[in-house]
Amino acid sequence: GENVEQHPSTLSVQEGDSAVIKCTYSDSASNYFPWYKQELGKRPQLIIDIRSNVGEKKDQRIAVTLNKTAKHFSLHITETQPEDSAVYFCAASMSDTGNQFYFGTGTSLTVIP
Amino acid sequence: NAGVTQTPKFRVLKTGQSMTLLCAQDMNHEYMYWYRQDPGMGLRLIHYSVGEGTTAKGEVPDGYNVSRLKKQNFLLGLESAAPSQTSVYFCASSLRETQYFGPGTRLLVL
Repeated sequence: GENVEQHPSTLSVQEGDSAVIKCTYSDSASNYFPWYKQELGKRPQLIIDIRSNVGEKKDQRIAVTLNKTAKHFSLHITETQPEDSAVYFCAASMSDTGNQFYFGTGTSLTVIP
Repeated sequence: NAGVTQTPKFRVLKTGQSMTLLCAQDMNHEYMYWYRQDPGMGLRLIHYSVGEGTTAKGEVPDGYNVSRLKKQNFLLGLESAAPSQTSVYFCASSLRETQYFGPGTRLLVL
């Protein structure tokens, strides 16, 4: 099956700095890569996703890049704010079939005011 | 529109007891999923369903059973609870790729 690795497990940044979280996947058939944000005690919520036919996607301060050849994708958060503090999960899936989603182990991001 | 709801929110079981967790969605989604979340291990898929009456095993199915008798409901059963099943359980549903998660059920098995 698919194996998704996520790094780092913890990340602290000063408010206003950028944060980057990286994930690798093993199955070249995976073609859908979402990122979820989970605040303490809350449910995971989708913040951005990318499909394998796209190399980069941006949504305001958040961007995701995908390198299919190297099988890795990254989340970039610019101008970080204290409310960005949360656990972030990457995932990989073969879309359109309701197939299994494989999640990374999460990155706990702390933004220091 | 409540989205995805889970019942109960919290439960304490003794080893060997059984229970059923209920997930309900009102978005007419075909796909539904059960995950468990443990510290440092992310979300791991237990079972999933691609439509009413269908179920399939995920990464960690042992010790759990599921049923999808109605499209809007996905039940997760523990026949004989073990301390290793202490976890937070999340249900999710999706129309296609985007998964919508429920609020979670915290289960403690003593």
